[in-house]
Amino acid sequence: GAVVSQHPSRVICKSGTSVKIECRSLDFQATTMFWYRQFPKQSLMLMATSNEGSKATYEQGVEKDKFLINHASLTLSTLTVTSAHPEDSSFYICSARDPLSSGLEETQYFGPGTRLLVL
Amino acid sequence: LAKTTQPISMDSYEGQEVNITCSHNNIATNDYITWYQQFPSQGPRFIIQGYKTKVTNEVASLFIPADRKSSTLSLPRVSLSDTAVYYCLVGDLAPGYALNFGKGTSLLVTP
Repeated sequence: GAVVSQHPSRVICKSGTSVKIECRSLDFQATTMFWYRQFPKQSLMLMATSNEGSKATYEQGVEKDKFLINHASLTLSTLTVTSAHPEDSSFYICSARDPLSSGLEETQYFGPGTRLLVL
Repeated sequence: LAKTTQPISMDSYEGQEVNITCSHNNIATNDYITWYQQFPSQGPRFIIQGYKTKVTNEVASLFIPADRKSSTLSLPRVSLSDTAVYYCLVGDLAPGYALNFGKGTSLLVTP
């Protein structure tokens, strides 16, 4: 099946710095990608929908100026956590929809996740 | 968005069949039902997806009654490696729609 990759797999940074996480669809073009955040022992929470060539759509309560999303091509979306603080430490997961998948096949592919630790 | 309800946790012994039922009373006409598996510190892994009746693949079966207000994921002969969190998601498969995760079911398989 289709593959979505993320880079880096884990990152440790100091409080106040910015961190960029990349999400790539490796063998299909994704006009839409999604960013999720997962805290320990909790479910995935949708943060934003990333649209190629246009502004991202953020879920209620997610600060768009803190979590900058850029979807510059059909295979790459980036999430930048600006001025990161310890409470931003979490597991960030991206996913992408394959527009050519049919209803009984996998249609939304998830990346392996990026573990962010802010000290 | 259709809300889903599943048991918080389930226990099973190796070799048994495990059935996890998910309720989604306000499922919409365009919504599909998708199940994902997640291991700690990994992204969700697709298990199975369906719209109605029964779907079977090499790892699981999905049973959906006619009213589509619930669904049951069936895992035949589970092994220790099936210990994971299982999520039932309901949503439109159109490219612009995200899948929203509920709390999931934590399955523990023991010898």
